[in-house]
Amino acid sequence: DIVMTQTPLSSPVTLGQPASISCRSSQTLVHSDGNTYLSWLQQRPGQPPRLLIYKISNRFSGVPDRFSGSGAGTNFTLKISRVEAEDVGVYYCMQTSQSPTWTFGQGTKVEIK
Amino acid sequence: QVQLVQSGSELKKPGASVKVSCKASGYMFAAYGINWVRQAPGQGLEWMGWINTNTGKPTYAQDFMGRFVFSLDISVSTTYLQISSLKAEDTALYYCATSQGYWGQGTLVTVSS
Repeated sequence: DIVMTQTPLSSPVTLGQPASISCRSSQTLVHSDGNTYLSWLQQRPGQPPRLLIYKISNRFSGVPDRFSGSGAGTNFTLKISRVEAEDVGVYYCMQTSQSPTWTFGQGTKVEIK
Repeated sequence: QVQLVQSGSELKKPGASVKVSCKASGYMFAAYGINWVRQAPGQGLEWMGWINTNTGKPTYAQDFMGRFVFSLDISVSTTYLQISSLKAEDTALYYCATSQGYWGQGTLVTVSS
């Protein structure tokens, strides 16, 4: 089974400053169809998860462009260019390359300093 | 717009059963599979499995074989999660989510005597 490991697990950030979260998979996430099914989810306090980024770097509908994703193979990064108060929450990376299984990282808590 | 609306919170005694519903709208129901995800209090996300909305075939993650059953009623675009022989450790938020990235609001199931 694929294991997803996120770092850091907690990220205190100053408003207006950037934030970065890393995610590493135990196996390559390159699917046999050539795509890499690595997504990022945001879960604000008391809210359900929300898809932010899919296939490494594609922003989902309505997601602000301050969110960006990058990476390849087994190493991936979510960046927030300038953190806003509404960005507080827990961020999860998720793989769906090993279909039909979904595997989540442990989550990274983003909070304001 | 795509919406997944889940049934309300449930309070059950140990040993009882519960059935959670997830009603889809805004898209062709059979186009996307429905996944179920569990989130224990203060914990991360755990994939439970999914149901193929074309064939009705369920697939369960290893830890969710036996007491957990996925079903669907195509006539009302609704998917169900039934949990039998409830235990205290089943207390959690249960989310449905499409394979295209849309999530329900979550259903809290509390198991307590």
